[in-house]
Amino acid sequence: GQNIDQPTEMTATEGAIVQINCTYQTSGFNGLFWYQQHAGEAPTFLSYNVLDGLEEKGRFSSFLSRSKGYSYLLLKELQMKDSASYLCAVFSSNTGKLIFGQGTTLQVKP
Amino acid sequence: NAGVTQTPKFQVLKTGQSMTLQCAQDMNHEYMSWYRQDPGMGLRLIHYSVGAGITDQGEVPNGYNVSRSTTEDFPLRLLSAAPSQTSVYFCASSYSNGMEEKLFFGSGTQLSVL
Repeated sequence: GQNIDQPTEMTATEGAIVQINCTYQTSGFNGLFWYQQHAGEAPTFLSYNVLDGLEEKGRFSSFLSRSKGYSYLLLKELQMKDSASYLCAVFSSNTGKLIFGQGTTLQVKP
Repeated sequence: NAGVTQTPKFQVLKTGQSMTLQCAQDMNHEYMSWYRQDPGMGLRLIHYSVGAGITDQGEVPNGYNVSRSTTEDFPLRLLSAAPSQTSVYFCASSYSNGMEEKLFFGSGTQLSVL
């Protein structure tokens, strides 16, 4: 089966950097996604990694190590609007399913 | 383009009642799916479809039925609602069911079963 772990909650200060980790176990790994979800809203796509390494998109970066079953989302220059849940999701080509972790709720404080 | 349209936004049911959550997309996406989201549980896959006429079970399919008669529509049916089905439901679609394909989500349906 598939198993995905993320911390439940994190707190950080406006202007700082925060790293949200995700570890996973799956057969037929074929990509890892990060989604952002503000309270009461639908998730929106942030990033996708299928090869090892760092993908940078403005203030957000995502890293993947397939051998370690590990990813992280790095948020720089935190803003109050970054307060949201961040969802890690893994796609398995064996099952054809995209499975989500329980999400990490990030609170950004002034 | 409207994207993924989900209705209703809110619904209250009594135990044993049936209802259908509607989902439609106008992006010609082949892949559509239903998730439920509960506190501390994240998004859990209920059913999904890789194209018209094809459906399959996700992680938590019991108590739910789906059909995919057209590319655009993917309704979710609760046959006999139970309090355990109180949740927020999201419909999502993507161009295909494969790696790289990001999901587009509907705005969600908050369902309470009393």
